Amino acid sequence: GENVEQHPSTLSVQEGDSAVIKCTYSDSASNYFPWYKQELGKRPQLIIDIRSNVGEKKDQRIAVTLNKTAKHFSLHITETQPEDSAVYFCAAGPNFGNEKLTFGTGTRLTIIP
Amino acid sequence: DGGITQSPKYLFRKEGQNVTLSCEQNLNHDAMYWYRQDPGQGLRLIYYSQIVNDFQKGDIAEGYSVSREKKESFPLTVTSAQKNPTAFYLCASSIAPAGTGELFFGEGSRLTVL
Repeated sequence: GENVEQHPSTLSVQEGDSAVIKCTYSDSASNYFPWYKQELGKRPQLIIDIRSNVGEKKDQRIAVTLNKTAKHFSLHITETQPEDSAVYFCAAGPNFGNEKLTFGTGTRLTIIP
Repeated sequence: DGGITQSPKYLFRKEGQNVTLSCEQNLNHDAMYWYRQDPGQGLRLIYYSQIVNDFQKGDIAEGYSVSREKKESFPLTVTSAQKNPTAFYLCASSIAPAGTGELFFGEGSRLTVL
């Protein structure tokens, strides 16, 4: 089955700096890579996702890059703000079947004002 | 206001008791899921249902049971057979049962076994 590793487990950055969270996966059949953000005491919410036919996707201050050869994908947050403080989860899975998604262990990101 | 509602938010249970967590959605989604979240671990799938009156075991189904009698409801029962039930439980739904896409989560239920 799929195995997803996520690093780092905790990350602190100064407000305005960039943050990068990395995930690796094991199953070459995985084609769908979402990122979820969970603020303290709140529900996880999808912030961005990428499919294997795309190498990079951007949405304002967040971007995700995918390297299928190396089996890793990363979340980049630029110009970080206090509201970016949260736990971020990556996941990997096939194009069909949310039930087949495997989640990473999460990264707690803290933005230092 | 559309979304997923989980109840109760906090629940305490004595060992040996069964407990049922409620999950209701008004998004008209076909697929619903139950995940367990433990500190330092990713979300792990307990059960999922792609259509009414049908459900499948996920990766950690032992000690849990579900039902899907209505499209909008997917309750989870944590039975006394679950060896380590203290955890945070998340319910989710999605539009397309056969595809992959956004999971819409509830706010979770925290179960503590005393």
